[in-house]
Amino acid sequence: QLQLQESGPGLVKPSETLSLTCTVSGGSISSSSYYWGWIRQPPGKGLEWIGSIYYSGSTYYNPSLKSRVTISVDTSKNQFSLKLSSVTAADTAVYYCARHEDRTGISNWFDPWGQGTLVTVSS
Amino acid sequence: SSELTQDPAVSVALGQTVRITCQGDSLRSYYASWYQQKPGQAPVLVIYGKNNRPSGIPDRFSGSSSGNTASLTITGAQAEDEADYYCNSRDSSGNHLGVVFGGGTKLTVL
Repeated sequence: QLQLQESGPGLVKPSETLSLTCTVSGGSISSSSYYWGWIRQPPGKGLEWIGSIYYSGSTYYNPSLKSRVTISVDTSKNQFSLKLSSVTAADTAVYYCARHEDRTGISNWFDPWGQGTLVTVSS
Repeated sequence: SSELTQDPAVSVALGQTVRITCQGDSLRSYYASWYQQKPGQAPVLVIYGKNNRPSGIPDRFSGSSSGNTASLTITGAQAEDEADYYCNSRDSSGNHLGVVFGGGTKLTVL
């Protein structure tokens, strides 16, 4: 059974860079059928897609965050990572990683999801 | 980017049928996927593609689409179905391909 687990600091100072890692177990991140994505949810609010990466390193990002986001993959560790620079209080959220399936002409979906990790931006 | 619009809140009597909708231009080209999120938990995929349920999702959940509107129908709602529901689809506006989520619908089972 595929499982994903986010890890990283729960507190980040304003203007610094948020860094999170998602470890995939029970399956290979190098599967040719899937992307791997990051989604966030501010407290009490809805879901916002951050970006996704293919095992080859091909990425696509939410245009509203693109200038601050870098997603990378380490196939040897079965992990992918998120970096969000110049954070502010508005970046405080639960950050989720998930397997992302994107089928041309059909749609896309995320399944399964990690349990999520709360990152607070505060001095 | 395109948007997906959901009603903020919907209620249903126990055992009755409820439809949760999601509207957006991208839904004219792509199917919506649907997620259930209970308090303090990660979202769970309940419907994807034309009308597919992942393993373990009860068959009372179904999906449909017409024009720019996608619907999630729960036939015979149960108390455990009380949750927030989100739709998502491809975002094909502009020059990029991406992902868009609806704002979510809070379902109350009375």
